[in-house]
This record gives sequence, C-alpha cells and structure tokens, in this order.
Amino acid sequence: QKEVEQNSGPLSVPEGAIASLNCTYSDRGSQSFFWYRQYSGKSPELIMFIYSNGDKEDGRFTAQLNKASQYVSLLIRDSQPSDSATYLCAVTGNQFYFGTGTSLTVIP
Amino acid sequence: DTEVTQTPKHLVMGMTNKKSLKCEQHMGHRAMYWYKQKAKKPPELMFVYSYEKLSINESVPSRFSPECPNSSLLNLHLHALQPEDSALYLCASSQGVAAQFSGANVLTFGAGSRLTVL
Repeated sequence: QKEVEQNSGPLSVPEGAIASLNCTYSDRGSQSFFWYRQYSGKSPELIMFIYSNGDKEDGRFTAQLNKASQYVSLLIRDSQPSDSATYLCAVTGNQFYFGTGTSLTVIP
Repeated sequence: DTEVTQTPKHLVMGMTNKKSLKCEQHMGHRAMYWYKQKAKKPPELMFVYSYEKLSINESVPSRFSPECPNSSLLNLHLHALQPEDSALYLCASSQGVAAQFSGANVLTFGAGSRLTVL
C-alpha cells in the first residue's frame, strides 16, 4: 500500500502570512504530484501539479518537490480567509493516492 | 467544456431501494473514476474505468455496481445499501490512467452526489 502522509492540522495562520503545507510519500517510483483544495461539502479542485524537482509557482501558490527526500510542499503567500479549506496532496503510481489532508484556517 | 457533471446532487434512499448515480464528461478523457468520501476523510477510490473497461475495483461490495456505457458516461448503480454507505460520491476523469502519466494527467472531479441511506 502506497502511503501519502500529511499533517492533519488544523493549521492556523493570520491573514497575509505564508501558509506551509507538507506531504511525504513512500513510493520512490511516484512520478507526479498534485495539490487539491477542498472546501467543506464541496469536491476537490486542482490547485497545481508538479513533476520535476524544484519549485513551481502559480500566483500566490508555490509547489516544491524533492524526490530524493520524497517530499512535496505547498506554500501559500499572502494567505486570505478564502484560502481556508482542506488541502489534499495526491501522488500517482498506478492510480492517484491521496493523503489525509491538512485543514487550513486563515484568521482575518 | 472542462466539466465533470454529476447527477443527482443529493439522493436519499432506503435500504431496499435501487437507484443510480450518473456522471458525464465531454473533455475526451479516457479514464473515469468513482470515489467515496466520508466527512473529514480523503477520497477513497472505488472503481476505475480505462477506455470504457473496468481496470480497478478496490474490493467494493457488490451492492455498488459500476457501468460505463460509453467514453463520456459513467454510472454507479446502488442496491440494498447500508446506512454506513452514506457519503459524498465523487466522479472524476483524467486524460489517461495514472500509470500512463504524461505530465498533465490531471484528475478532474465533479461536484459530487451526496447520498443518504436511511
């Protein structure tokens, strides 16, 4: 069973701060990595994906991948109350494997 | 069209009922998925269809029966469910299956069907 680990949180940050979300995975053969955001009662929506070592930036979001350490993270700059949600890390093997999610609350 | 459409949005059924959940996508995706999600838990994979053929069944009880009539449609037939089957059922699609990842094989979810079994 492939494992994807996330800190369940809850993680609370003040508005305008940087939120840092972390994910580790067990399968060294994993090829691609995704961050999904899920608001309460809604379906997951893709924030970004990454498949090469290093950083990938999209607006206020930066994904970081380190395959040697089997670690992927998501940074949210200038956090807004609307960023309050559960963030799911997903990793591909022969299917998409989801972590348990990290609950983020941005305090106004 | 970049959407996955699920119907109904809400479904309440008794344990002896037969009902179906429907999912449709017109993005030309060749893989379609059913996930089950309980509150405060991650999505749990149930079934994967690849090129209209069932490729993964995660040991789901037979009271859940998937069907893929064509490359755009995916159904989940429900019969004799239990109250513990109450959950959010998510349909998703991707361009190809995860093992054929090509750098952009993103999983796109529908809005979900909230199922309550009485």
